[in-house]
Amino acid sequence: SAVISQKPSRDICQRGTSLTIQCQVDSQVTMMFWYRQQPGQSLTLIATANQGSEATYESGFVIDKFPISRPNLTFSTLTVSNMSPEDSSIYLCSAAGGRGELFFGEGSRLTVL
Amino acid sequence: QKEVEQDPGPLSVPEGAIVSLNCTYSNSAFQYFMWYRQYSRKGPELLMYTYSSGNKEDGRFTAQVDKSSKYISLFIRDSQPSDSATYLCAMSDNNAGNMLTFGGGTRLMVKP
Repeated sequence: SAVISQKPSRDICQRGTSLTIQCQVDSQVTMMFWYRQQPGQSLTLIATANQGSEATYESGFVIDKFPISRPNLTFSTLTVSNMSPEDSSIYLCSAAGGRGELFFGEGSRLTVL
Repeated sequence: QKEVEQDPGPLSVPEGAIVSLNCTYSNSAFQYFMWYRQYSRKGPELLMYTYSSGNKEDGRFTAQVDKSSKYISLFIRDSQPSDSATYLCAMSDNNAGNMLTFGGGTRLMVKP
C-alpha cells in the first residue's frame, strides 16, 4: 500500500484567490489522480496527473481552473484557481496500487467565502 | 440510471449486529471490486479488494461478488461502534486504477 500525505489539510480562502494543494506519496507510483468530494457525496474524478506531461481532465474540469503538476513519480500539486463558493469541497489525492485499487490521502478541506 | 447503485442509508444497528452493505452495477465488464471505509473528515481507506467473483474474508469483514447478478456485498460481523463510517463500493474493468467507478456510499452507525 502507499501512504499519501496532503497539505494543507484544510483552508479558508477568499473568493477570487487561488490555492495549491500538495500531495506526496511515500513510494514511486505510476498513476496519480485528483478527486473532489462534495459534502455528503461520493467521489468525482477531476484529472489524472501524468508524470512529465499535461494532466488528463475529466468532463467538466479544465486546466485553467484546476492546473495540475506532476514533476516526478512521488509528488503532485493541484491548484484551484479563481475560487468561488462553489469550489468549497474536499480535494483528495490518490495513487494507483497496481491491482486496480486506489489509495487516498486524508484530503484537503477547502472553504471559500 | 447510475452505473453503480448504493443505498445511502443511514443504516443504524446495535453493537454486535451483523451488517450487510450492498451495491448493484450495470457494467458487465467490471472485474475489480473494492470496498472503502471513510470516517468523517478523513480520506477513504481501502478495506477489501476482490478480483472477479467469489468471497474474501478478512477478520470480521467478508466481501462477496456475484457477477451473474451484478451485485456485491460487504458483511461486517460483530459490529462495533468504531465501524461507524461511510462505506463506498468501487469497481473497475481494468487494473490501472484510472477508471474506478464509485457508489454513492452508505452511512453506517453502530450504536453501543
